[in-house]
Amino acid sequence: GDSVTQMEGPVTLSEEAFLTINCTYTATGYPSLFWYVQYPGEGLQLLLKATKADDKGSNKGFEATYRKETTSFHLEKGSVQVSDSAVYFCALSAASSASKIIFGSGTRLSIRP
Amino acid sequence: DSGVTQTPKHLITATGQRVTLRCSPRSGDLSVYWYQQSLDQGLQFLIQYYNGEERAKGNILERFSAQQFPDLHSELNLSSLELGDSALYFCASSDPIAGGSTEATDTQYFGPGTRLTVL
Repeated sequence: GDSVTQMEGPVTLSEEAFLTINCTYTATGYPSLFWYVQYPGEGLQLLLKATKADDKGSNKGFEATYRKETTSFHLEKGSVQVSDSAVYFCALSAASSASKIIFGSGTRLSIRP
Repeated sequence: DSGVTQTPKHLITATGQRVTLRCSPRSGDLSVYWYQQSLDQGLQFLIQYYNGEERAKGNILERFSAQQFPDLHSELNLSSLELGDSALYFCASSDPIAGGSTEATDTQYFGPGTRLTVL
């Protein structure tokens, strides 16, 4: 079945460091891909999405490119801030069943001042 | 703020009890989804409603049920509660695809969640 695998955390970086959180997926057809962020004590917020191969989603300095050939959707940010500390979830919405989102296990990111 | 509201924010109850969680979708959204987030299972899809009708079922226990009312708000009912039901329960909504389709778009907006603690 469809699944999402993302790098295990926690990830701890210093402020202004470069961030990469790896995400790969398994799905039939052409799923839509998402990154959601969960700040401490809050619900999930949609961070960015991409709906087809080579699409780049971007928001708040974060970017991710839909790579069909490597079935990946890695999240990157050039210079992280303390306020980026949160749990990040990679997810897909399968073409065969757009009614549900399949989430990865989440990656906890902590940024040191 | 996603526009999706959930009440209550916290709920503490005892094993064997029954609780109801409530969700109001974003204005204009017809689809409501329920998810459970627990430490051991991660984020799991439970069930989806579209304009009052059940559309899809995920890993929802028989002790759990949901419905969507004519005003589009939804309730998730959890009964015969067990310790393992302690989790964060999220509601999400999405808008209908334009052009007369009866399907929802694949972008879902999440509410702040209800934290259920079963003692």
